[in-house]
Amino acid sequence: LAKTTQPISMDSYEGQEVNITCSHNNIATNDYITWYQQFPSQGPRFIIQGYKTKVTNEVASLFIPADRKSSTLSLPRVSLSDTAVYYCLVNTGGFKTIFGAGTRLFVKA
Amino acid sequence: DTEVTQTPKHLVMGMTNKKSLKCEQHMGHRAMYWYKQKAKKPPELMFVYSYEKLSINESVPSRFSPECPNSSLLNLHLHALQPEDSALYLCASSQDQVSNQPQHFGDGTRLSIL
Repeated sequence: LAKTTQPISMDSYEGQEVNITCSHNNIATNDYITWYQQFPSQGPRFIIQGYKTKVTNEVASLFIPADRKSSTLSLPRVSLSDTAVYYCLVNTGGFKTIFGAGTRLFVKA
Repeated sequence: DTEVTQTPKHLVMGMTNKKSLKCEQHMGHRAMYWYKQKAKKPPELMFVYSYEKLSINESVPSRFSPECPNSSLLNLHLHALQPEDSALYLCASSQDQVSNQPQHFGDGTRLSIL
């Protein structure tokens, strides 16, 4: 099973771009990379998912290099409401979903 | 608001009580999940149901008993729990267990064992 490693915490200021990198050295061929956001006392919320190269949606971008051993979640122009824990997951379907430790992002005014 | 509804939101019970946590989704998803989350820790997978059949049990103690009565409902029956079982219990669903569609989570039941 692919293990993920993320920074424990990050600080940023409103309006800045935030990049959170996740390491997953033993990712399998069929694995996808999925990022979730979790606020206190709420369940995780899906942000973005990708397999390779770059994926962009209305809230974030996901950059995946050719070797797929890492990925970077990019949040453009963060606001105070983006303060949350961000989890990187590597899995094939719903088998053995293992959350990493997560990155606590704190956005300051 | 989430598309996965969990009840109750909070539950306090003694170690000898029997209670149940409930989860419901109407997205037509055929895979449903139970997770346990301790404070400041990531969610840990407990059970996976696929097409109403138990697919994965992550060596969870028998005092936790899952049940999937139909494709929209998932229950977690609790009996003789220990204080260390106090946690946030999250339910999730996904299109199925095979595809890579993301999981949709409820906001959990916060369980306290006295």
